[in-house]
Amino acid sequence: DQQVKQNSPSLSVQEGRISILNCDYTNSMFDYFLWYKKYPAEGPTFLISISSIKDKNEDGRFTVFLNKSAKHLSLHIVPSQPGDSAVYFCAARPSGNTPLVFGKGTRLSVIA
Amino acid sequence: DGGITQSPKYLFRKEGQNVTLSCEQNLNHDAMYWYRQDPGQGLRLIYYSQIVNDFQKGDIAEGYSVSREKKESFPLTVTSAQKNPTAFYLCASSVPRTPPEKLFFGSGTQLSVL
Repeated sequence: DQQVKQNSPSLSVQEGRISILNCDYTNSMFDYFLWYKKYPAEGPTFLISISSIKDKNEDGRFTVFLNKSAKHLSLHIVPSQPGDSAVYFCAARPSGNTPLVFGKGTRLSVIA
Repeated sequence: DGGITQSPKYLFRKEGQNVTLSCEQNLNHDAMYWYRQDPGQGLRLIYYSQIVNDFQKGDIAEGYSVSREKKESFPLTVTSAQKNPTAFYLCASSVPRTPPEKLFFGSGTQLSVL
C-alpha cells in the first residue's frame, strides 16, 4: 500500500501563473516532508522541505504547505517558469532510521 | 567538487548475464541507497546501507545484490534472477538522522536488456 500518494500524474500551467502540486500521506508518524525535482535522464535534486511541526515553509518562488489534520501537503510555485517543467516527487521521512518514502511523481509542464 | 558518481550512464544486459552498476561518493556520507525508476512508478527502494559492511533490503530487493566494503562505494549487481531489469537506476547518499534528511542523487544509469 502506498503511504505517499501523488494523485495527479501530470499538470499543465501557463508561464507566470501559479503551479500547485499536491501530495497525500497515510502515516501520521512522518516527521519531515520533502519535495524533489527531476529532469529526464538526471537524478532528482532537493527543492524544499517542511517539518511536521510547521504548516508553511517558503523559499523564493517555492512554498510548501502542510495540513496535518488532512494528511495533505502542497507545493506552490509562483510565478511558474518554463524551466520548472520537470517531474516533482513528494517524499516523507518515517520516524526512526528508515529511508524516505517517495510518491510516484507529478509531471509539471509550464507553457510559454 | 563533492558529489555522487554513477557509471556507466547506459548499460545493456544480455539474457542470463549479471551486470554491476557503480556508485561512488566523496561527500563523506554514511548512508547510501539504490532506487529504481520505472515510468509512472516513482522511485522504489532496492537496497540501502547506513554504515560500512551493513545493508538492508528495500521494497524490491529480489534479483539484486549489493556490497558496502568502503564508505565511498555502494555497487549494485543486477543478477539474472531479475526478470525485468530495464529501468533507470539511481544511487543516493545522505547523512542519517540529520533533519531534514536530504538525499543527494547521482545522475543515474539506464539499464536495458538486449
